[in-house]
Amino acid sequence: EIVMTQSPATLSVSPGERATLSCRASQSVSSNLAWYQQKPGQAPRLLIYGASTRATGIPARFSGSGSGTEFTLTISSLQSEDFAVYYCQQYNNWPLRTFGQGTKVEIK
Amino acid sequence: EVQLVESGGGLVQPGGSLRLSCAASGFTFSSYEMNWVRQAPGKGLEWVSYISSSGSTIYYADSVKGRFTISRDNAKNSLYLQMNSLRAEDTAVYYCASEGYCSGGSCALGNWFDPWGQGTLVTVSS
Repeated sequence: EIVMTQSPATLSVSPGERATLSCRASQSVSSNLAWYQQKPGQAPRLLIYGASTRATGIPARFSGSGSGTEFTLTISSLQSEDFAVYYCQQYNNWPLRTFGQGTKVEIK
Repeated sequence: EVQLVESGGGLVQPGGSLRLSCAASGFTFSSYEMNWVRQAPGKGLEWVSYISSSGSTIYYADSVKGRFTISRDNAKNSLYLQMNSLRAEDTAVYYCASEGYCSGGSCALGNWFDPWGQGTLVTVSS
């Protein structure tokens, strides 16, 4: 099983500031990585797939980068609606897809 | 609009059974591979099971293998999860999710999860 580790667990950011979230895989997943956003009481929403491709309807302030074992999700200027929990997920080891434990982005 | 709606959750005693359903609309359900993903209260996400578009290929996470059965009825645009021998650690919100979809002439298909249903809560407790 590929273990996904996200850091930090909680990120405190002021509106308008930049947020940088990290995700590390226990072995290479190539570019087979997705990012999701989850708000309280809601299902996760796909933000990024292929490590850097934004899903349909996702604002340009969300960007993904990385390959192999190190990945980053950047939110360039945080809006009020962006405060949520973010998960990374590898799909290189299909069908056993695994998720990180999540990073909570909270208002500073 | 693509929509997935789960139902069938509830409170069940340890050792009991429950059948979850996921009704799909707004896309050609029979063309898409489907999954169940769960989330224990206050915890992260765990992939549970996969089924191919035709239903001929199925996989399970080790944690549910031998106890859960995934199936689909393409004529009814529905996905199912039969859960037997339930344990306290199966308590979670269960989501159905497609592996991408096509809409408006544009496709994003891959082994990620999109879209998701709103989830149904399964509580295993005496």
